[in-house]
Amino acid sequence: QKEVEQNSGPLSVPEGAIASLNCTYSDRVSQSFFWYRQYSGKSPELIMSIYSNGDKEDGRFTAQLNKASQYVSLLIRDSQPSDSATYLCAVNMEGTYKYIFGTGTRLKVLA
Amino acid sequence: EADIYQTPRYLVIGTGKKITLECSQTMGHDKMYWYQQDPGMELHLIHYSYGVNSTEKGDLSSESTVSRIRTEHFPLTLESARPSHTSQYLCASRAGGNQPQHFGDGTRLSIL
Repeated sequence: QKEVEQNSGPLSVPEGAIASLNCTYSDRVSQSFFWYRQYSGKSPELIMSIYSNGDKEDGRFTAQLNKASQYVSLLIRDSQPSDSATYLCAVNMEGTYKYIFGTGTRLKVLA
Repeated sequence: EADIYQTPRYLVIGTGKKITLECSQTMGHDKMYWYQQDPGMELHLIHYSYGVNSTEKGDLSSESTVSRIRTEHFPLTLESARPSHTSQYLCASRAGGNQPQHFGDGTRLSIL
């Protein structure tokens, strides 16, 4: 079992819809969680950080963390074609150097 | 906004050449990382550094080496490039604690 798992997709949603991206992790000691967006051929760009259970909103993005169930999700409201990219989930255990990245979910927003 | 710079952005070079990929950051971050990523594939950690004179190998075996003589500078060197080294190399840095990593724009390396 991989330490961080994401559905590779592609996840296709129509423009204006809500895109829901999910990530599960195996290590209960994980403390910090991040979502990155990566356009094809580009480097990952940080979208959200979340550290405690519950929801965190930033513009059209909402990150949701449930440590008991060991999952973190990202919701994108009012999806735009420019949101089409691969979304990487990353997890860090406090006090360690290691950031475990998932393989990413490819999102396609259809105009 | 993170300020982390990688040069060159693209490099096409012949087999057997010595290559140094540069990575610099202006944020005073102690932690720096090198990842390798093939198109459409996952990130693989190849080196990281806690601070000056501290470097460790990552999860993916790599023939590259790194150095950290100054906080802001974390170059990666390939002594003798081979076609199998063709990939994208991404440098990242972060502040202490549980802060996120910030990535440079990457170097796309092609070995002929």
